[in-house]
Amino acid sequence: SQTIHQWPATLVQPVGSPLSLECTVEGTSNPNLYWYRQAAGRGLQLLFYSVGIGQISSEVPQNLSASRPQDRQFILSSKKLLLSDSGFYLCAWSVQVGEKLFFGSGTQLSVL
Amino acid sequence: SQKIEQNSEALNIQEGKTATLTCNYTNYSPAYLQWYRQDPGRGPVFLLLIRENEKEKRKERLKVTFDTTLKQSLFHITASQPADSATYLCALDDDTGGFKTIFGAGTRLFVKA
Repeated sequence: SQTIHQWPATLVQPVGSPLSLECTVEGTSNPNLYWYRQAAGRGLQLLFYSVGIGQISSEVPQNLSASRPQDRQFILSSKKLLLSDSGFYLCAWSVQVGEKLFFGSGTQLSVL
Repeated sequence: SQKIEQNSEALNIQEGKTATLTCNYTNYSPAYLQWYRQDPGRGPVFLLLIRENEKEKRKERLKVTFDTTLKQSLFHITASQPADSATYLCALDDDTGGFKTIFGAGTRLFVKA
């Protein structure tokens, strides 16, 4: 069966520090991969999506970036975190575009 | 771009009653519409997907309707239970080729015993 792993579960980082969140999917090949961010009490904001290795589409032109170095690995990064980067970050995958999404357990990021 | 509107006020109902949640979208008719459940501090969990050519979809105590004329989907939970208390999110494809799934802010449901 397919599983998605996302870590860490919680992270407290100072303003200006770098960020690296990792997500891996097991049990499937060539998944579509997504990064979402959810502010407290708000909906999910799509940050990046990828339909294949090295193919990244950005939805939010901020100080975040994403990479897909392997088929089932999706990484969210920042060189310098801002206070506004705080939130609940969720990785997700789907078999095909337009199909249901499977979400990871999320990373609660607090930038202080 | 597509916008999704869900009732931001929490819905409080009595156990055993039917909960009805609303999702409205503003622009073009999406190819599909999905509903997810999210518990505090957890990732959303997929519940149902309905396509543009479908009027209704059912799964156990859940029912989803899709009215492209009204630009609205209704999500029903029959015989609701306290365990159904959660936030329910509506999601659909955006209007740039369907590669992206965008979400509403969700409606919080409280089912009282």
